[in-house]
Amino acid sequence: DGGITQSPKYLFRKEGQNVTLSCEQNLNHDAMYWYRQDPGQGLRLIYYSQIVNDFQKGDIAEGYSVSREKKESFPLTVTSAQKNPTAFYLCASSIWRLTGANVLTFGAGSRLTVL
Amino acid sequence: GQQVMQIPQYQHVQEGEDFTTYCNSSTTLSNIQWYKQRPGGHPVFLIQLVKSGEVKKQKRLTFQFGEAKKNSSLHITATQTTDVGTYFCAGRESGGSNYKLTFGKGTLLTVNP
Repeated sequence: DGGITQSPKYLFRKEGQNVTLSCEQNLNHDAMYWYRQDPGQGLRLIYYSQIVNDFQKGDIAEGYSVSREKKESFPLTVTSAQKNPTAFYLCASSIWRLTGANVLTFGAGSRLTVL
Repeated sequence: GQQVMQIPQYQHVQEGEDFTTYCNSSTTLSNIQWYKQRPGGHPVFLIQLVKSGEVKKQKRLTFQFGEAKKNSSLHITATQTTDVGTYFCAGRESGGSNYKLTFGKGTLLTVNP
């Protein structure tokens, strides 16, 4: 079955440590995204990538980094510079649509807790 | 920047009652999408509206896009326990990138059987 796989599902990190969240898709989608979700909040865009070897900052990119070396993969690194990293992180992908905005397919998410 | 406001934040209903959530944008939208997130799950795409005044139905769900393309609503008729979850609207600003959606904070619907 086609879909998006995020790992790990749960992650605990000590303050000052970097952590990398994995996102892999087999939908053959060109675009991939990372969103952050906090309790009672909407989804906020961290980074997105339209094509391999290219990515753009979203609304809350500070303290995060990404890479897009393969079409299928878009890992997110939460660095020690991110002041409040505890959150639910959602990876998504989409095809480009001629009308409207791209429709997002989400992974199951990774829940990061900083101890 | 663009803001998308969604009300109410929470809604508790008895099974069989109707439910409506409203979405308002600070700017004109080129389109609006709706997603549903079940408790402990991830958002799942429901529908996209593109045209001014558009109305679409999916069984008991009715979606509307305002004439000015700045607001939208989702109405559920005769709620069921399977409707439980958080409903998000997400809009693309008119003239904005295809890749940038602004999400509302969502409406959490709980249904008492």
